[in-house]
Amino acid sequence: GESVGLHLPTLSVQEGDNSIINCAYSNSASDYFIWYKQESGKGPQFIIDIRSNMDKRQGQRVTVLLNKTVKHLSLQIAATQPGDSAVYFCAESFYGQNFVFGPGTRLSVLP
Amino acid sequence: GAVVSQHPSRVICKSGTSVKIECRSLDFQATTMFWYRQFPKQSLMLMATSNEGSKATYEQGVEKDKFLINHASLTLSTLTVTSAHPEDSSFYICSARVGSGRGTDTQYFGPGTRLTVL
Repeated sequence: GESVGLHLPTLSVQEGDNSIINCAYSNSASDYFIWYKQESGKGPQFIIDIRSNMDKRQGQRVTVLLNKTVKHLSLQIAATQPGDSAVYFCAESFYGQNFVFGPGTRLSVLP
Repeated sequence: GAVVSQHPSRVICKSGTSVKIECRSLDFQATTMFWYRQFPKQSLMLMATSNEGSKATYEQGVEKDKFLINHASLTLSTLTVTSAHPEDSSFYICSARVGSGRGTDTQYFGPGTRLTVL
């Protein structure tokens, strides 16, 4: 389930299940979005991006959905694995400038 | 993807000393690099934007005389924490912008530097 931790919301999923991580962005003019994964003690790692002229983009086991009407972004991870445990950040920008990062969601994969 | 390195990965120093952190783009040139600070269980806080050959642009509330940034080349930016105090202890992360020229410039991050000030 989803809960609010000390600072980061946490999503707990069973290994093998699909995960959906949500992000609300603030600027309706933002036209480029990125999802990053940050493991403990490491820098954020680029996962997938999407431009505003698309509403869906798929990668390897990951899918990003964009709903511009409600300014909502989601990251779907298929068949979640223990190695997916991390904090996930969304980032919005306008024409690749002035990136703004969301608060992050901690994904915890249960055995 | 583009590779960004940081050095050192971890540093412990005494209060009052200065610490320099290096950020390098390894396989590309970066005209713009960013410095972030991250507290435990929190998101990234942008400190400053570092532009090659010009002065850095600092975010509101960040002391430019305390956090000195130098972007001496297209592959290197440095952050110097001057007269460090325990409250400066944090995780410092740099990123470099890779330009696509099509409005989809992407930021690639370094592995971060854990600074502990005693």
